[in-house]
Amino acid sequence: GAVVSQHPSRVICKSGTSVKIECRSLDFQATTMFWYRQFPKQSLMLMATSNEGSKATYEQGVEKDKFLINHASLTLSTLTVTSAHPEDSSFYICSARLAPDEGTGELFFGEGSRLTVL
Amino acid sequence: GDSVTQMEGPVTLSEEAFLTINCTYTATGYPSLFWYVQYPGEGLQLLLKATKADDKGSNKGFEATYRKETTSFHLEKGSVQVSDSAVYFCALYSSASKIIFGSGTRLSIRP
Repeated sequence: GAVVSQHPSRVICKSGTSVKIECRSLDFQATTMFWYRQFPKQSLMLMATSNEGSKATYEQGVEKDKFLINHASLTLSTLTVTSAHPEDSSFYICSARLAPDEGTGELFFGEGSRLTVL
Repeated sequence: GDSVTQMEGPVTLSEEAFLTINCTYTATGYPSLFWYVQYPGEGLQLLLKATKADDKGSNKGFEATYRKETTSFHLEKGSVQVSDSAVYFCALYSSASKIIFGSGTRLSIRP
């Protein structure tokens, strides 16, 4: 099956620093990847759609300068949390769709990255 | 806009009990429907899916039937196990090519 891998799985950083999270599709090409944020005991909030070779599309209320997304290749998308603050602490999950999409919309998810900002 | 509503948790059951987690949706057309499961500390995994009306998705003893007339996709399992303890998300593939998730239902199974 399609495998999506995220790295790192856990990261702790000091307030004011930047953190990069990588999302890779290991055995398929993904023209589109999605970044979600999950708060404790809450559902997934779509942050942005990452498109290979073009700018990401951000959801309303998500700061694009705060959460930088780069989709440099068909197998890699990165999320950089810039100048992180404690309120950015969360579980970030990426997902990818097969290219070409079979039409069902099924997503394959990474394992998630837990960010803790001190 | 498209949306998914699922029953709020947490749901606590004894091992071997029957499970139902309700899910209804609002959407234009006939979207694909999914159930995803999230085990503690992990990302989401697809549990089952259905792509058209009356389809039944099934996996690991779980089932859900795409009901167009009631716009529902309820998740069922006849006999739950402790290992089924997780958070379950109902979702649909929207007309905007996005996955819309329900709020999630936490399931805990007592031995």
